[in-house]
Amino acid sequence: GQNIDQPTEMTATEGAIVQINCTYQTSGFNGLFWYQQHAGEAPTFLSYNVLDGLEEKGRFSSFLSRSKGYSYLLLKELQMKDSASYLCAVRVPMGGGSQGNLIFGKGTKLSVKP
Amino acid sequence: GAGVSQSPRYKVAKRGQDVALRCDPISGHVSLFWYQQALGQGPEFLTYFQNEAQLDKSGLPSDRFFAERPEGSVSTLKIQRTQQEDSAVYLCASSAKDEKLFFGSGTQLSVL
Repeated sequence: GQNIDQPTEMTATEGAIVQINCTYQTSGFNGLFWYQQHAGEAPTFLSYNVLDGLEEKGRFSSFLSRSKGYSYLLLKELQMKDSASYLCAVRVPMGGGSQGNLIFGKGTKLSVKP
Repeated sequence: GAGVSQSPRYKVAKRGQDVALRCDPISGHVSLFWYQQALGQGPEFLTYFQNEAQLDKSGLPSDRFFAERPEGSVSTLKIQRTQQEDSAVYLCASSAKDEKLFFGSGTQLSVL
């Protein structure tokens, strides 16, 4: 089966740093994605890791350890607009010549307070 | 347009009614996915198209759900004889070959 775990909710203060963890157990692995989703809106792409290590993109960084089935999303210099749900997703292989389908966790609702 | 477009944005159906949800993917995107997202949950996979071919429909919850993409562009998700448990947001996503998914804003379906 496929299992992706992440905390349900987190709260942090404006200007601070927050780390959202994700652990996964999947039948196959073709990369790990993080998406941001504001209430009532489409998920938007944040980051992609396929090799172990840290990927940095502005205020957002994402880390992957394939041997541990573990990833985290790090958000720095938090802003009020960062209040949203953060979705961890693993791409698992499919047939038909595609690299795969995304299996999502339930999402972590982040609240940024002044 | 530049993004994935879904219509209608909101749909209210009476139990037993048939509904059709439309997705216009980004032009040229080969892959198209449908997901179902219940309130407070992550998106759950329904079905996948590569051009006009439906390569995976393992996530469709029952035979009341049917999806098509006849010309390899626009896709329609049809739900027959809707039930209350079908109430959810239905997300469509497209990608160029094996790249990141771009999502539409979804259709929020409420079955009364």
